Amino acid sequence: DSGVTQTPKHLITATGQRVTLRCSPRSGDLSVYWYQQSLDQGLQFLIHYYNGEERAKGNILERFSAQQFPDLHSELNLSSLELGDSALYFCASSSGTLGGELFFGEGSRLTVL
Amino acid sequence: GESVGLHLPTLSVQEGDNSIINCAYSNSASDYFIWYKQESGKGPQFIIDIRSNMDKRQGQRVTVLLNKTVKHLSLQIAATQPGDSAVYFCAEIVNTGFQKLVFGTGTRLLVSP
Repeated sequence: DSGVTQTPKHLITATGQRVTLRCSPRSGDLSVYWYQQSLDQGLQFLIHYYNGEERAKGNILERFSAQQFPDLHSELNLSSLELGDSALYFCASSSGTLGGELFFGEGSRLTVL
Repeated sequence: GESVGLHLPTLSVQEGDNSIINCAYSNSASDYFIWYKQESGKGPQFIIDIRSNMDKRQGQRVTVLLNKTVKHLSLQIAATQPGDSAVYFCAEIVNTGFQKLVFGTGTRLLVSP
């Protein structure tokens, strides 16, 4: 158990809908990272938050947004969903900024029908 | 968090053999590299890391080798066990104005008893 909690574990929705994925980092970790894992893309970095502030953006679509709250949990919002958004979405946390070990949650599997 | 279904190169070995998983990284300026293991149904898990001022680092049954000249990283697993069956990813920290952890495409290791 990495200590990172993601909910929901599975989510099935329709195209055009909006979903929110939630992540609780390990106790004491200030950094939260979101990654997308799809069949043909491997693990793609989406976004990084540190202590409530956005630190880095990767290949995150404009239809996606994220935030980190004062209690350090994070949410990833996916809107106007398309079939191609079906993927595993992972959250990871670390104590600081990059350079240390990232601890991954078990992911949220999103299926868009 | 399963990665089954990913279109990955596969390495098949017998239990007890030594395994070598290779990775080519992209950025000559990267100075920190990590190997992750992803078992079926789980998120990636840290195995071992290495900084660019080293060319070899050993852990328990694992060794990482770094060749900066050809931008190549390898993970050696000694006396491979069925429990080592998983997808293995190399990752590098890339600095492009900000730091991000970029994952390689992964290699599936299958260990037969």
